[in-house]
Amino acid sequence: DVKVTQSSRYLVKRTGEKVFLECVQDMDHENMFWYRQDPGLGLRLIYFSYDVKMKEKGDIPEGYSVSREKKERFSLILESASTNQTSMYLCASNHGVAKNIQYFGAGTRLSVL
Amino acid sequence: AQTVTQSQPEMSVQEAETVTLSCTYDTSESDYYLFWYKQPPSRQMILVIRQEAYKQQNATENRFSVNFQKAAKSFSLKISDSQLGDAAMYFCAYRRLTFIFGQGTELSVKP
Repeated sequence: DVKVTQSSRYLVKRTGEKVFLECVQDMDHENMFWYRQDPGLGLRLIYFSYDVKMKEKGDIPEGYSVSREKKERFSLILESASTNQTSMYLCASNHGVAKNIQYFGAGTRLSVL
Repeated sequence: AQTVTQSQPEMSVQEAETVTLSCTYDTSESDYYLFWYKQPPSRQMILVIRQEAYKQQNATENRFSVNFQKAAKSFSLKISDSQLGDAAMYFCAYRRLTFIFGQGTELSVKP
């Protein structure tokens, strides 16, 4: 079975802190994605990566950055956390072509106080 | 830009009955893929069903089927013989290069 693992299920941080959300997949997928999920807004794409050291902005990249130094790991970074970044964060991965499904991690619920 | 709209924030169905969740999308592309994902309370997103836009035949997976109307840009999900375990948030998604998700429909199943 494909496994996408997010390092934390719940995280509480303070405003201004630097926050790292880690995601690891074990199926050698080229593509990895970070979404945030908010009620009534569905999933919105923050950043994605098609290969190691490659990154592309999604729909809402402001306030976030990413790192993909190894194929299996895709990190989301909040340089200076703010309260409006309180949300559920979902990581996903898949193989390259459009028909291939995305596999999701269990999500990290981040609260910024 | 592509958009995906789920106009039903919440739906409810009696156990063993049939329910249909609506999804419309907007695109100028002709080649794309559509998906329904399920997110139960455990939060793990699970693929329910997938449809390729070039295929006219509606996809079916056991109790789950879709009504794909390409000209109308509509992609509804029908759940037959609803079970308590079907209770979840359901997301419709469009993919050509990246995934675009709808707002979600919260489905509750009454025993």
